[in-house]
Amino acid sequence: NAGVTQTPKFQVLKTGQSMTLQCAQDMNHNSMYWYRQDPGMGLRLIYYSASEGTTDKGEVPNGYNVSRLNKREFSLRLESAAPSQTSVYFCASSEEPADSDTQYFGPGTRLTVL
Amino acid sequence: GQSLEQPSEVTAVEGAIVQINCTYQTSGFYGLSWYQQHDGGAPTFLSYNALDGLEETGRFSSFLSRSDSYGYLLLQELQMKDSASYFCAVTGYGGATNKLIFGTGTLLAVQP
Repeated sequence: NAGVTQTPKFQVLKTGQSMTLQCAQDMNHNSMYWYRQDPGMGLRLIYYSASEGTTDKGEVPNGYNVSRLNKREFSLRLESAAPSQTSVYFCASSEEPADSDTQYFGPGTRLTVL
Repeated sequence: GQSLEQPSEVTAVEGAIVQINCTYQTSGFYGLSWYQQHDGGAPTFLSYNALDGLEETGRFSSFLSRSDSYGYLLLQELQMKDSASYFCAVTGYGGATNKLIFGTGTLLAVQP
């Protein structure tokens, strides 16, 4: 099993450009999440999806949109990138309901917006 | 709102024991988790406390006291590979799914 995979690994954008970050998991998990991590900080939840066809906002959703394409895939879109969105983006998945609440993370996408 | 506080950095020597504290302010949560992150890589799950008390997993133990709004991660027999950032996180009530709220993390440096 590959676990959680993310593409691309690195990306540089100019202000105003758009892009989509891809995430897929092969663990048959129901829940998927997008986080951002800024230098010296913890992870902050952008959006999450409890199941296929549902999405909800997290702590910092402004400037982002998401799509739960199917049970495996959850994408994050930046419609008009801004320098404040320079960050490392992590996708995660978890089994629901989960007593231990373990989330499994992908390797991250390092995004720089100039 | 919810907030979790951790020391920003901790230094210890190989073979020693180190405790990383986490104090939180939250209206309610399912449990307290700990994650390890090496040098900006993917965070990985270490431990989870749903109930008060100590949970032991090999060299790592985690403790929770809801009455004191406090938890800690205890690492024993420190190894160089334990040098990493450690994050506590509470599992908040998130409607249809559980949402993790992370602390800002503690950078552990293990010295020879």
